[in-house]
Formats: sequence, C-alpha cells, structure tokens
Amino acid sequence: AAGVIQSPRHLIKEKRETATLKCYPIPRHDTVYWYQQGPGQDPQFLISFYEKMQSDKGSIPDRFSAQQFSDYHSELNMSSLELGDSALYFCASRGQGKMNTEAFFGQGTRLTVV
Amino acid sequence: LAKTTQPISMDSYEGQEVNITCSHNNIATNDYITWYQQFPSQGPRFIIQGYKTKVTNEVASLFIPADRKSSTLSLPRVSLSDTAVYYCLVGEGGNTGKLIFGQGTTLQVKP
Repeated sequence: AAGVIQSPRHLIKEKRETATLKCYPIPRHDTVYWYQQGPGQDPQFLISFYEKMQSDKGSIPDRFSAQQFSDYHSELNMSSLELGDSALYFCASRGQGKMNTEAFFGQGTRLTVV
Repeated sequence: LAKTTQPISMDSYEGQEVNITCSHNNIATNDYITWYQQFPSQGPRFIIQGYKTKVTNEVASLFIPADRKSSTLSLPRVSLSDTAVYYCLVGEGGNTGKLIFGQGTTLQVKP
C-alpha cells in the first residue's frame, strides 16, 4: 500500500540558506501535518492543512512557511536557516471521515544545518 | 486541547505484559484517545484509538474508564522489538482533529 512519501530523506544546508521539504500524502488523504523533532525530543507540531487550506498552526517560526497544493502534496519552506533548525521533519497525512481516522507518518527528512 | 501526562520511562522484560497509563483530566466530550509508537529516527506509527471502555486490536488493548480522565495502553507479551517511545494523544477525531504530541514514555524491554 502507498505510504506517505517525504523528500529528500537527508539534506545538508549552511546557515542562512533556504530549504524546501516535500510531502506526498497517501492518495485521497486531504489533511497534512508537519512536525519538527530535535534529538531526544518529542515531535513538535508546526502546521497543518485541510483541503489545501491551513487548518492549525503550532510552533512554526516566521522564517518557515508551508502550503498544500491542488494535488494535496505539501511543501515546507525554510529560510535563513539556523543551526537550531537541525532536526527530523515529519509529515503525516489523514484521510476523510468524521471518526477515528488514523494519521500515517512519513519516514521524515533529516535536515542538518552547518 | 487536553494535556496528557505519561511516565517518562518504563522497563520490562520479554514476555511480560506492559501497561502504560496516560492522564488527561480535562478531556473534552468530542476527544478521542490515540496511542502512537515511535522507533528512533522513524515516524510515529498508530497503535490504537478509542473513545470509551475497551478497544482491542491485534497488537494492543486500550482501557478507558467511565470518566475518561485516564487511559491505559496494554501491550501483551512484549518483545525486544517493542522497545520504543509511546505517545498518548487526546483530540478530536476525524481528519481535521489536532495531533499534538506531549512527552512520551520510553519503554525499554530487556531480555
């Protein structure tokens, strides 16, 4: 079965550079979540989208932006990268339905800022 | 969103049953309780979800008392491969519900 695809899997950037992370949800899933997870930390919610509109916003820095496109894939744009942005970035997708919908997570993008 | 409280860590031995309890005193009427498992450097994986009483699937059981202010994830006969971090999430069901992770429980299964 198709899973959530994230690209790239690994990314190395220098300080002050920009990065774009991509997330391809499971087909027919219309909700996407983005998370940041630093070493030894719990996943921190950044932002979510439902039907191509932002649905919730968490602890996403102003330097970051995200959007969901017409094909439901999502991109997280990160500018003016800082050393502290080094982390695993996960996205998750969720399907339609009013009850008990399980969220599926991708394998993550490991971003290293040097 | 209801805040959740879990033990930071637990130890167990292979073959034992493990119960991890999560407190969520201000759970709302529309909230569901969902548990995720996460291995190092991997995305969290759904284990089980419930609203009240007991839910069981092929890997775990979830016990929710009548007041719903806590829940217990039960893992029968754990193995070394169950060593992971377990998260309890409380939030609205459906595809627009929030998914906020609190502090998880690191389960260490020993031989």
